[in-house]
Amino acid sequence: GAVVSQHPSWVICKSGTSVKIECRSLDFQATTMFWYRQFPKQSLMLMATSNEGSKATYEQGVEKDKFLINHASLTLSTLTVTSAHPEDSSFYICSAERAGGGSTDTQYFGPGTRLTVL
Amino acid sequence: GENVEQHPSTLSVQEGDSAVIKCTYSDSASNYFPWYKQELGKRPQLIIDIRSNVGEKKDQRIAVTLNKTAKHFSLHITETQPEDSAVYFCAASKGGYQKVTFGIGTKLQVIP
Repeated sequence: GAVVSQHPSWVICKSGTSVKIECRSLDFQATTMFWYRQFPKQSLMLMATSNEGSKATYEQGVEKDKFLINHASLTLSTLTVTSAHPEDSSFYICSAERAGGGSTDTQYFGPGTRLTVL
Repeated sequence: GENVEQHPSTLSVQEGDSAVIKCTYSDSASNYFPWYKQELGKRPQLIIDIRSNVGEKKDQRIAVTLNKTAKHFSLHITETQPEDSAVYFCAASKGGYQKVTFGIGTKLQVIP
């Protein structure tokens, strides 16, 4: 099956610093990746859609200057949380859909990154 | 945009009994409906999905039904086992690399 990895799996940082999270599709190419955040005992909320070679599309209410997304290749998308604050502490999960040969519609999720901002 | 409602938010069943989780969606253009199981601190895992050209799909103890007219879809788990305990999310999408909208989740507890 399709494998998506994320790095790091967890990170603790000081308020005001920036944190970069990587999402990689290991055995398939993904022109589109999605970034979600999940608060404890809550659902996955889509933050943005990351498109290879173009600007990300952000959901309403998500600050694009705070959550920088770069999708430089067909297997890698990064999310940078800039000037992180305690309220940014959350579980960040990416997902990717296999590209080429017609869409299967199925999204494969990374294992998530738990961010704690002190 | 799409809105997916899911209920119940929590569900407790005795081992061996069936569990049913129901969802509704708002966007008639949605045509792909996956169900995910998420254990604590782990990634959501796709357990079954259904497309709008199908009314029902079954995979061993898990089945999903879709009523396009009513914009309802449901997950049925039969002969529940303790390892079925997890949070289950329904979702809706227009497919083809489009974003997925999730329901709030149902915490299922199977009591041995």
